[in-house]
Amino acid sequence: EVQLVQSGAEVKKPGESLKISCKGSGYTFSRYWIAWVRQMPGKGLEWMGIIYPGDSETRYGPSFQGQVTVSADKSTSTAYLQWSSLRASDTAIYYCARGWLDIQPGGFFGHWGQGTQVTVSS
Amino acid sequence: QSALTQPASESGSPGQSITISCTGTSSDVGTYNYVSWYQQHPGKAPRLIIYDVSNRPSGVSNRFSGSKSGNTASLTISGLQAEDEADYYCCSYAVSRVLFGGGTKLTVL
Repeated sequence: EVQLVQSGAEVKKPGESLKISCKGSGYTFSRYWIAWVRQMPGKGLEWMGIIYPGDSETRYGPSFQGQVTVSADKSTSTAYLQWSSLRASDTAIYYCARGWLDIQPGGFFGHWGQGTQVTVSS
Repeated sequence: QSALTQPASESGSPGQSITISCTGTSSDVGTYNYVSWYQQHPGKAPRLIIYDVSNRPSGVSNRFSGSKSGNTASLTISGLQAEDEADYYCCSYAVSRVLFGGGTKLTVL
């Protein structure tokens, strides 16, 4: 069974750094792209970025380029999303989602993590 | 780039059919058959219900169907049930990027 298990809720102050995680199991982690998706309170889904754990090739959405860093450790089957300096506007639920197999040029997100609530408040 | 365009809300009575549209451009929906749809109930993670324009994952009711014409994709839900009340998001892959629609809140009257 494919599973993506995310790290727990975080409460941080503006300016602090943060790294949240997403551990995959039940499949060959290194061969599927993994995406991060933001959902701000009461709002829709926004694609932040995506990584191919096999070689760490990464792509970012224009609104998130330079704002966050996506990484992955294929030895532990874990993807990460990190901030160097949080803002109150980063308050949101963050989902990881398994994308397509490496032999495909694109696709869909068939499995999602449970979400990580990040709250940034002074 | 802008998100894909969906109506903010739709509604229907039990047993009826509704269609949610998702409009993109010739650079995304119009070119790629990597259109997918997700259902999200309050407080839950999104769930894939349609992939590659019109395919249903195992376990998804055949009341859900998808199609595409030009730059617009559509999700049709037939025989509406109370449990279908949720938010629905379309998604399209394009070269080196992914776009989501703004979401449609479906109310079952």
